[in-house]
Amino acid sequence: DAGVIQSPRHEVTEMGQEVTLRCKPISGHNSLFWYRQTMMRGLELLIYFNNNVPIDDSGMPEDRFSAKMPNASFSTLKIQPSEPRDSAVYFCASSLPRGSKIHNNEQFFGPGTRLTVL
Amino acid sequence: DAKTTQPNSMESNEEEPVHLPCNHSTISGTDYIHWYRQLPSQGPEYVIHGLTSNVNNRMASLAIAEDRKSSTLILHRATLRDAAVYYCILRNTDKLIFGTGTRLQVFP
Repeated sequence: DAGVIQSPRHEVTEMGQEVTLRCKPISGHNSLFWYRQTMMRGLELLIYFNNNVPIDDSGMPEDRFSAKMPNASFSTLKIQPSEPRDSAVYFCASSLPRGSKIHNNEQFFGPGTRLTVL
Repeated sequence: DAKTTQPNSMESNEEEPVHLPCNHSTISGTDYIHWYRQLPSQGPEYVIHGLTSNVNNRMASLAIAEDRKSSTLILHRATLRDAAVYYCILRNTDKLIFGTGTRLQVFP
């Protein structure tokens, strides 16, 4: 398996532009998580989905952020409009359901997308 | 979510054992103790987890205090590749809440 795939790996954009980050979870995983990592705030959970349904979006910073999971193999995190303070590394992770005996329900993280908003 | 306390940084020499401590005095009965690590420029990766009993896997061992208020991640022989930030996380839901972790430096 290729693991969790994220694209793009790097994104540089200007303030006010729309940014879309993409994630393909590991096949068969039904939970998907979006995280953001900055020096100041560390690793923060933004939102997660179970079976393509958003379960907890309490970590989404504000209305400029939105996430979708139209099917089991694809999710997007969109920022519109982007601001310099959104600059961070955004990670996507996927896992099997809690209680699954395979992989101990561990989360598998992608390589991240490094976003720079100028 | 119950909080964990870890030292900011630790150092080790290559091929020596490393004991990474974690305090979690407010742990509840349903909290599992999870450890993840993040190598430089990579996403976090799972290391090990446990509930009450000590656990061993190919990467590490997890020693859990009898009262469960603390735990220790043990790397039996540190390698240069083990240099990373190690996160101790209490988990009883789908969510992982990361703290600041311990940055482990390994010297040749």
